[in-house]
Amino acid sequence: DAGITQSPRHKVTETGTPVTLRCHQTENHRYMYWYRQDPGHGLRLIHYSYGVKDTDKGEVSDGYSVSRSKTEDFLLTLESATSSQTSVYFCAISVGGDTNYGYTFGSGTRLTVV
Amino acid sequence: KQEVTQIPAALSVPEGENLVLNCSFTDSAIYNLQWFRQDPGKGLTSLLLIQSSQREQTSGRLNASLDKSSGRSTLYIAASQPGDSATYLCAVHGSSNTGKLIFGQGTTLQVKP
Repeated sequence: DAGITQSPRHKVTETGTPVTLRCHQTENHRYMYWYRQDPGHGLRLIHYSYGVKDTDKGEVSDGYSVSRSKTEDFLLTLESATSSQTSVYFCAISVGGDTNYGYTFGSGTRLTVV
Repeated sequence: KQEVTQIPAALSVPEGENLVLNCSFTDSAIYNLQWFRQDPGKGLTSLLLIQSSQREQTSGRLNASLDKSSGRSTLYIAASQPGDSATYLCAVHGSSNTGKLIFGQGTTLQVKP
């Protein structure tokens, strides 16, 4: 299985502060994704990357930015955290270097904004 | 816009029963469909991936089918066990070649001993 690690696993932060979540993969998979999971909404795509410095928005990208300066790392930043961004965040990779292959998800980051 | 629906939202069965989880999607132009399992407080574990050209995939007691023309997939679990209790998510990789997954809301399964 592709190695994918998210950090931190849990975080509590205050409204208005910036927060960065990290996703790290141990293999050179091209595609990486950030999703959030909320009760009643399921999993929704925030941003994704199709290569170093190549990123694009998902369906719920407002208030979030991403960066990918190395193949193995995909960072998600909440520029000014709000309570509505309290959620569980999952990183995923598309295994096989092609979008027609399966996906592997990280264990998630539980973020609470107070 | 692709929409994915899973029915039922919750299901409770006695141990040993065979059961079927349903997933429907509105746009039949998909690359693939994937079934995941999620335990409470945990991440997603991939169960089965069906490419658009395939009709079904099997892994152990699990069998997933795909009917693209009707926009449906089913996950069949044979001889259910208490350890199968979890939320099962269906996700579609749509027609745009970006790898974005559209998820259903999931079916929460409880298998009683």
